[in-house]
Amino acid sequence: DAMVIQNPRYQVTQFGKPVTLSCSQTLNHNVMYWYQQKSSQAPKLLFHYYDKDFNNEADTPDNFQSRRPNTSFCFLDIRSPGLGDTAMYLCATSRSSSGANVLTFGAGSRLTVL
Amino acid sequence: DQQVKQNSPSLSVQEGRISILNCDYTNSMFDYFLWYKKYPAEGPTFLISISSIKDKNEDGRFTVFLNKSAKHLSLHIVPSQPGDSAVYFCAAYSFGNQFYFGTGTSLTVIP
Repeated sequence: DAMVIQNPRYQVTQFGKPVTLSCSQTLNHNVMYWYQQKSSQAPKLLFHYYDKDFNNEADTPDNFQSRRPNTSFCFLDIRSPGLGDTAMYLCATSRSSSGANVLTFGAGSRLTVL
Repeated sequence: DQQVKQNSPSLSVQEGRISILNCDYTNSMFDYFLWYKKYPAEGPTFLISISSIKDKNEDGRFTVFLNKSAKHLSLHIVPSQPGDSAVYFCAAYSFGNQFYFGTGTSLTVIP
């Protein structure tokens, strides 16, 4: 089945220790998104790629970076995680960013910063 | 700035009865509205959507109603089944822009 796969599913890291979360997709969608979801909050868009074009949300901290080496893969790098970065990180894909659209999500990576 | 709001964090319904989940939004420019369902330890999965030019969309047991004048949409599940127990997220977007999500409503269907 075509899908969105996130690794790792669970990650515990220490304050300030860099973390990389990965996302791969077999849907051949041209748009990939990273969302942060904290407990009892709505998913918050961090950034997205339209093909190779990177789009950063204005309020995404500089601590968060992303890479998309090819259509299938996208990475979220947190350079110096703080306690406030403990959250679920959701990767999603879509076919395009215009017109009627549906996001397809991965299962998420739950990050705990100690 | 919460553009999409789900004011009920939780809802309990008896099996076989109707579940009604509500969502309000503030941006009149939204073109498209969606409902996602999320089980624990899984990502959200798409359930049903509606375009802003319609006021109702039905798919089996699931119906979404849109009231543009009230900036309100609702998801009706009839009849409710225990397998429907999950967190339901409302989402909205305007074409070419990002999706905005609500905080979710946790539905429990009691057998």
